[in-house]
Amino acid sequence: QKEVEQDPGPLSVPEGAIVSLNCTYSNSAFQYFMWYRQYSRKGPELLMYTYSSGNKEDGRFTAQVDKSSKYISLFIRDSQPSDSATYLCARTPQGAQKLVFGQGTRLTINP
Amino acid sequence: EPEVTQTPSHQVTQMGQEVILRCVPISNHLYFYWYRQILGQKVEFLVSFYNNEISEKSEIFDDQFSVERPDGSNFTLKIRSTKLEDSAMYFCASSEGAEGFSEQYFGPGTRLTVT
Repeated sequence: QKEVEQDPGPLSVPEGAIVSLNCTYSNSAFQYFMWYRQYSRKGPELLMYTYSSGNKEDGRFTAQVDKSSKYISLFIRDSQPSDSATYLCARTPQGAQKLVFGQGTRLTINP
Repeated sequence: EPEVTQTPSHQVTQMGQEVILRCVPISNHLYFYWYRQILGQKVEFLVSFYNNEISEKSEIFDDQFSVERPDGSNFTLKIRSTKLEDSAMYFCASSEGAEGFSEQYFGPGTRLTVT
C-alpha cells in the first residue's frame, strides 16, 4: 500500500489561473504535512507545512488538510510562470523525522 | 542565507567501485539526512543521523551504504560497491532539531551515474 499518492501530471495552465494540487495518504498516524517545490536540477524547498486539519495561507499559496478523508491540497492563486516547478507533498509519521514524499506533480504556467 | 552544499554535482563511476558523496550541512543544525531520487521516481529517505550515530534508516540503506561525520562540518555517504541501480540523485538535508516540526533544508544534490 503506497503511503502517499500524488498525480504526477504534467499539469499545464495559463498564467493567472488557480492551480489545485492534491495528494492522498493511507496511514492515519501522521503528524505534519508539507508541500515542497523543486526546480529543475535543485533540491526540494519547503513551501508550507500544516499540522492539523484545516487551511493555512501564505501569500498566494493555501495548504489544506482533511484528515477525515486523508486528503492534502495545495492551491496557488494568480499563478506565475516562476511557479513552474515540480510540487511534492510529504508527511512525517508520528515520532519520526523522515519525510515520505509523493510522486511529485510537474506544473507549467504558460505566459 | 545559510545553505546545504554538496559535492560533487555529478559523479560517474564504474559498477563495483566505491563512491563517497559529500555534504556540508547548515552549521547550527543537529540532524542530518540522505535521500535519493531515481529518475522519474519519488524522493526516498535513506538515513538520518544525530549525535554521531544513525537514528533511523530505510530498507534501501543496506550494508553497502554507510554515513559518517568525519569532522565538525562534513557529512558523507559512502557506497562500497556501486550497482547500476544506485544511479540516482542523492540529496543531503539538515535540520535544527527533531522536536515538533523542524524544517529540513536540502542541498542541490549529487547526480550519481553508475556505468
